[in-house]
Amino acid sequence: GDSVTQMEGPVTLSEEAFLTINCTYTATGYPSLFWYVQYPGEGLQLLLKATKADDKGSNKGFEATYRKETTSFHLEKGSVQVSDSAVYFCALPTHDYKLSFGAGTTVTVRA
Amino acid sequence: NAGVTQTPKFQVLKTGQSMTLQCAQDMNHEYMSWYRQDPGMGLRLIHYSVGAGITDQGEVPNGYNVSRSTTEDFPLRLLSAAPSQTSVYFCASTRDSLNYGYTFGSGTRLTVV
Repeated sequence: GDSVTQMEGPVTLSEEAFLTINCTYTATGYPSLFWYVQYPGEGLQLLLKATKADDKGSNKGFEATYRKETTSFHLEKGSVQVSDSAVYFCALPTHDYKLSFGAGTTVTVRA
Repeated sequence: NAGVTQTPKFQVLKTGQSMTLQCAQDMNHEYMSWYRQDPGMGLRLIHYSVGAGITDQGEVPNGYNVSRSTTEDFPLRLLSAAPSQTSVYFCASTRDSLNYGYTFGSGTRLTVV
């Protein structure tokens, strides 16, 4: 079935460092792709999305490009802050009304 | 503020007790879901609904019941709590399950002793 595979981490960075979290997908067709973020003690928030190939989603300085040739949707941020410390999930919707999530990547940013 | 509201935020149950986790959304979303989040297991779908009066099972439905009498509400019932149901439960909703992403509630942390 449709699924995503995500770099697991954990990842520890210093402030202002560059962040990349890899995500690849397996799907029939070209589903929408999502990145969610979960801050400590909170629910998941939609960070960004792309609904078709070559789309770039962006939000809060984060970007991800939907690349069908490499079946990837890697998350990037050029300069992270302590407030970006969270767990990040790649996800795609399936046709049985489910979100297929990656395992999650814990990111810790140190001042 | 519009969104998904879950109550309670924390709950401790004894084995065998029953309870209902409440979920309400005010965005007029047709699609609603319940997930549980466990360390090392990620998020797993328990039950979902595609509209009022329509519910179906997800990946891990055993021990849980749901109903959807209104568009707004989607309660999750634990029939006879077991320690294996200790988890964080999230309710989510969307207007389009394939393209718009889900809005999640803040979660209910349940401990069964």
